Amino acid sequence: QSVLTQPPSVSGAPGQRVTISCTGSSSNIGAGYDVHWYQQRPGKAPKLLIYGNTNRPSGVPDRISGSKSGTSASLAINGLQAEDEADYYCQSYDSTLSASWVFGGGTKLTVL
Amino acid sequence: QITLKESGPTVVKPTQTLTLTCTFSGFSLNTLGVGVGWIRQPPGKALEWLALIYWDDDRRYSPFLKNRVTITKDTSKNQVVLTLTNMDPVDTATYYCAHSDSYGSGYYFDFWGQGTLVTVSS
Repeated sequence: QSVLTQPPSVSGAPGQRVTISCTGSSSNIGAGYDVHWYQQRPGKAPKLLIYGNTNRPSGVPDRISGSKSGTSASLAINGLQAEDEADYYCQSYDSTLSASWVFGGGTKLTVL
Repeated sequence: QITLKESGPTVVKPTQTLTLTCTFSGFSLNTLGVGVGWIRQPPGKALEWLALIYWDDDRRYSPFLKNRVTITKDTSKNQVVLTLTNMDPVDTATYYCAHSDSYGSGYYFDFWGQGTLVTVSS
């Protein structure tokens, strides 16, 4: 079981907005550690989408955004496109002995 | 342009030691704040962080694997090596190395290798 909890799946129609949640605790997200997001298409390596809660690396479209509040974070994708169908993972740091760098369990995004 | 590539055996037997090499270019592991990490992903499952080595040779390990895993670097060769002892079928996974940078209160992985699938089987 992952330290960071994500919904196993979300879906949306092209053009719609979807959000993916990442719920942690007082030893990771709630302790002030940043949250980062990755997209992984089938058979490919993960790709950094968001770093430091809200920042997009060069090349990531501005229809993708991140936010953080309390012990949770969210990834939002506006104007859903077929190419967005992938797995998405959140990542943070945990200060307890259970782990250091921690990933969420992943969310499968299906574009209907 | 930062690139990383993993290399090593594709099949290991149970109880054997796995040694994987990450060869990178486009950055120096002598640069302040830079790190290289290893992350694995069992088939159909989530990402799992294994180890990370910093520019100053500080090393961090997953508590779940701490007694089995070692990470080292050779800056002259631009390589980072991961060893995992006493391999078991549950260690079957795609192993990735990734460049790590820091922002605010955390490190993230901004460039990834293509990954290498390691199967543990007798």
